[in-house]
Formats: sequence, C-alpha cells, structure tokens
Amino acid sequence: NAGVTQTPKFQVLKTGQSMTLQCAQDMNHEYMSWYRQDPGMGLRLIHYSVGAGITDQGEVPNGYNVSRSTTEDFPLRLLSAAPSQTSVYFCASSIGDSSGRSDTQYFGPGTRLTVL
Amino acid sequence: AQSVTQLGSHVSVSEGALVLLRCNYSSSVPPYLFWYVQYPNQGLQLLLKYTSAATLVKGINGFEAEFKKSETSFHLTKPSAHMSDAAEYFCAVSKGGATNKLIFGTGTLLAVQP
Repeated sequence: NAGVTQTPKFQVLKTGQSMTLQCAQDMNHEYMSWYRQDPGMGLRLIHYSVGAGITDQGEVPNGYNVSRSTTEDFPLRLLSAAPSQTSVYFCASSIGDSSGRSDTQYFGPGTRLTVL
Repeated sequence: AQSVTQLGSHVSVSEGALVLLRCNYSSSVPPYLFWYVQYPNQGLQLLLKYTSAATLVKGINGFEAEFKKSETSFHLTKPSAHMSDAAEYFCAVSKGGATNKLIFGTGTLLAVQP
C-alpha cells in the first residue's frame, strides 16, 4: 500500500512551457485534491474531485487544469507556466464519508516546481 | 465562510518545555478542525482532528488540542518538547459542504533547543 504518490519530485520549467504533475493513490479514496504551498501562506486549494469524472475549482484555480478519469489518478496540468506558479504542490486523498467534512486527508510527498 | 489564524509564525522552546501552538478559527457552521505536521521536505501528516465528539482531542506523538467554542480556538499542546518535534505545524478547518476542502492557516515553525 503506497498511499499517495506524486511524480516528479522536482521540476524546472521555462515560462510558457506546459507540464503535468502526476498523482495516484491506491487506497480507493473517492476524494482527491491539489494544493500549492507557498512561504507564509500555508496551503491553498487549487482543484478537487469527489469522484471519477467530477472535478471543481478551489481557491486558486487559474492556470491549472485537472481531470479525473479513474478513481486512482488525479493529474494537474499547467497550461502555460508562469514564475508565479513556482511552488510546492501537494496532492491529497480521503475516503469521502456522507458529509465529507471530517475525513482525514492523506498527503503525497509533494512536487517542487520552479518556473524560470 | 471558514478561516483559520495561527498566531506566531515561529515558536522556539527548550527540550522538555511545554509546547503551545495557537490556532483560532472562524466558521459559519460547526467546524471540523485539524492539526497537521510537516517535517522538512516531506508531505503533511495528520496529528489530530476534532469532529464534534470530545472537546479534548488526543493525537499522535503526545500532542493534544482542546476545542473551545467560546474562544473559537483549537490550540495544540504537548507537555514536554522533544528534539524530534521540530517541524512546521498547520491548523486547518474543513470548509462547509460535502467536498472535504481544507482551509489552512499559514503555519507555525517550531524549533526545539537542546
């Protein structure tokens, strides 16, 4: 049971390039989320999904796309990278109970992205 | 709307001293509250969570937190700090609705001095 895995661990992009951050979980969790972590700002929600085929925007969705074709995978796409997207990105998953508010979210190890 | 405020971005304690990390919340619905810990270059790990059962919540590694509705607080404590407790700690509130979105505080970096 690997939990939540993220690839790559590190990535350097040039402004305007696109890329996909991968996230996978093997716990059969319904809920998955993407956060970015910036110094002094904590973690902010980018996009989330409550099940395969269902996604929605979080606090800071601009410049990012997601899709959820399977329960296991939730990739995050940067369409045209900008220096403001330099950050550490975390993927998280949770079971998804009837309310969804008290679930424990399990976090991946993160992807450190630098945009030059 | 929900929000979380963590007082003190840096806290330093001596080994063996009391650890107190402060968290105040704002929520228009009964809150579900969480404390997460992040060790250097790692992801976040759940320490404990409040889900409207007992107001005093015990977590891993000897940490506990008390939910005080009258003070809108959920402070994290540990009676005796250990060097291994040095990490960044995040308080979070679950945003209303069935979608399990977390609103995080800005974090408190705990340093433990020998």
